[in-house]
Formats: sequence, structure tokens, C-alpha cells
Amino acid sequence: EAQVTQNPRYLITVTGKKLTVTCSQNMNHEYMSWYRQDPGLGLRQIYYSMNVEVTDKGDVPEGYKVSRKEKRNFPLILESPSPNQTSLYFCASTDPGHNNEQFFGPGTRLTVL
Amino acid sequence: GQNIDQPTEMTATEGAIVQINCTYQTSGFNGLFWYQQHAGEAPTFLSYNVLDGLEEKGRFSSFLSRSKGYSYLLLKELQMKDSASYLCAVFGVTTDSWGKFQFGAGTQVVVTP
Repeated sequence: EAQVTQNPRYLITVTGKKLTVTCSQNMNHEYMSWYRQDPGLGLRQIYYSMNVEVTDKGDVPEGYKVSRKEKRNFPLILESPSPNQTSLYFCASTDPGHNNEQFFGPGTRLTVL
Repeated sequence: GQNIDQPTEMTATEGAIVQINCTYQTSGFNGLFWYQQHAGEAPTFLSYNVLDGLEEKGRFSSFLSRSKGYSYLLLKELQMKDSASYLCAVFGVTTDSWGKFQFGAGTQVVVTP
């Protein structure tokens, strides 16, 4: 089954404790993204990657890092989380050969205390 | 930038038609997307317009006018399960926006019996 998976689905952590949210897709898509979703602000792109070893900043990259060492995985790293990073995070992969349709993971709800 | 505006909420009766408007300000984009997002779930792809005009897919249709900076999503024969947030998005192709997806804040559609 074609899918995007994210782990963990829920995470409560404390300020400053490094964390990684994993994202994996099995559709061989070259383009992958991370978004955060906050009430009233919609989905905002954090980082995206057009291919292996190629990453670029989205609209809200501050406080986040990503890596793309292999096509299927695109982890999101918060080196020193802060309470303003409490949000719902979505990973997505895109098929440029099919209308640039984005396939989203199930989401990770992160709370930073 | 690519400011994307859509109404915050719309209410309609089961069986009726609702039109969700999306206006944007951008100097260039590859295509305009509509996604549906039920509460607590990931967004799912509904439609993609590249050229001006109407694209019909069953009960859902999407329209684009590049010259007017305007799109709409038309939902016909509303069903209770159509209660969801509808997100308008563009994929940028300008120097500032190349490779980025940008979303509006979403329109919450409430279908009443």
C-alpha cells in the first residue's frame, strides 16, 4: 500500500531536549516536505527536499533541521525545542508526474513544555 | 509572496451547493490545488488546476482564472461527510517561491441536516 508514515504520532517533551520525527514514504517520490499546522494559520512549509542530499528552506525553517540521505526518508530534527514549536506536524511526499499531488503522513502532535 | 485568502467558515444544508473562493497574489505558480482535511486527519488531494477553466470530478469541481487571481471549489449535493476544512494551495515557480507549496488557512465547511 502506497503510504507516508511518521513517528511518533504523539510526543510531549520539555524545552531544550533534542528530538527527531521520522518520515518515510514507499512511493519512490523525489520531493518531500515538512509542514506545521497551527489554528488560524493553516499549513506552513518548514523544509522541503527535491531529491537526495538536496534540501531547502520553506517559509518557517527557524529552529528546525532536516536531512535527506536516502530517497525514502526525510527526518525532521528539533535540536533545542521551545514551546512555540508546539504544533501538529505533517510530512508529505509529492508525485510530480501526477499533478504534483501531495500524499500526507498521519501527523505528529508535538507538545513542548 | 503568495498571499492566499479564503473564507474562514461556511455553513450549508445537506443536498445544497457551496462555493469556496480562494484569491491569491503571486507573480507565478505552476498550479493551484484543493485539499480536504477532516478534523484530526491529514489533508487529502481533491483537485489540481493548471490551465484556466473548470475541472469537474464527480460532485466536486474546481475553477481557475489566472488573470483574476482567483479560484473556487464547488461542492454539489452536499453530504454530511463533506463537513471538513478545504485548503487552497499553490506551487511556486518564481525566484522567491521556486519549489515551495503555500497554503491558505483553510475554509471550514459545516453541513447541517
